[in-house]
Order: sequence, then C-alpha cells, then structure tokens
Amino acid sequence: KAGVTQTPRYLIKTRGQQVTLSCSPISGHRSVSWYQQTPGQGLQFLFEYFSETQRNKGNFPGRFSGRQFSNSRSEMNVSTLELGDSALYLCASSPRQAGKLFFGSGTQLSVL
Amino acid sequence: AQSVSQHNHHVILSEAASLELGCNYSYGGTVNLFWYVQYPGQHLQLLLKYFSGDPLVKGIKGFEAEFIKSKFSFNLRKPSVQWSDTAEYFCAVNAGETGANNLFFGTGTRLTVIP
Repeated sequence: KAGVTQTPRYLIKTRGQQVTLSCSPISGHRSVSWYQQTPGQGLQFLFEYFSETQRNKGNFPGRFSGRQFSNSRSEMNVSTLELGDSALYLCASSPRQAGKLFFGSGTQLSVL
Repeated sequence: AQSVSQHNHHVILSEAASLELGCNYSYGGTVNLFWYVQYPGQHLQLLLKYFSGDPLVKGIKGFEAEFIKSKFSFNLRKPSVQWSDTAEYFCAVNAGETGANNLFFGTGTRLTVIP
C-alpha cells in the first residue's frame, strides 16, 4: 500500500500570501488529520476530517482552514500568511481505530 | 485541556545501555496513550499504544511502556538500546471517549545512541 502523500514537499511564500497544501491518505483511510510542527511548539493539532466533515479543530486562528473530498484526499489552506506560520505541516491518515496515525513526510513552509 | 510533558530533551546513551524516557500527561478523563518515533530522514511512525487493559504494553523493536494512572505517566523503556534506535521520540495522548484523532503531543526527546 502506498503511504500518505503530501505535496508539495517545500514551499516558500511571502507574508500576506495564501497557500494550499495537499494530502492523499492511505487507500481506505477515511480520517485525515493535520498537524503543525515547529521547533518551539512541537506538534500541534490543526484539524481532523472524517468522511468530508470536520470532526475536530485545534486552537488555531480562522486563517487556517481545510476540507476533505469524497475520495478522502484533503487540503489545508492558510490565508494571509504570517512569519510565524513557517513550520512543517504534517498530514496523517487513520483507519477506524482512533489514534493510530500514519504520517506523511510533511510540507515545509517558509514564510519570508 | 490535555497536555503532555516529556522531561528529557536529549538523551545520549551507549549501545546496550537501558533506556527510560519519561512522559506525563494531564487530563482528568479516560485517555489513549501513544509513543511515536521519528528516525532520521523518515516520517513519524507509531511505536506502541495503550487504549485499555494491561497497563504494560509492548511495541515494535523491543520497546515497552507502562501506564501508571495514579502518576499520570506513560514512560517508555527498552532494556538494551542499539545504534539504530537513534531517533526522536514523541509521547502523545487523546481523550479516550471521543474516538477522534486529535492527539496532544509532547515536545519530543532526542535519543542518540553511541556505538
């Protein structure tokens, strides 16, 4: 089985721009979660989608949004980028069992 | 709100030494507990998990962890480390009753094993 695929691998943006990141889960996985990883804050939960519905949301501003398509692929969008949004964004998919996450390699976002 | 503390930021051991990485969490209800590992150049992967039952859980590569409810702890152990165990280790928790995938992670412990 192919793993979780995230594109692009690297992104460089400037403040004020917006960005869209993509995630393709493992085939058959209906849950997709997004995490932000930074050296200072570690891994922080952004949101989780299950069957195209947002099931949980972390404590991030409304500039961070996401969606899930009928094929379980997911996108997350960050609008009006700030310098502090520079981070590794990780996507994880999961089968039915809660918490057993399969992570992708992440998208490294740099905001200049 | 849930939170996780990993007290050791960087641990350096020689091969064959024993390992114990600390993890404490704060949450008043039922929890699911996890250890994830990230080897150099690879993505995060599940090492072991505790949902219920026997508080001593065994994972891959000889790792085990013990859930001590009274201490809110879930420490990771291995009796004899190998050079290939060099990696970053993350403890995580989520509310057991929700069935959701919003994990709270600790800040990680970097383990360096010297041959």
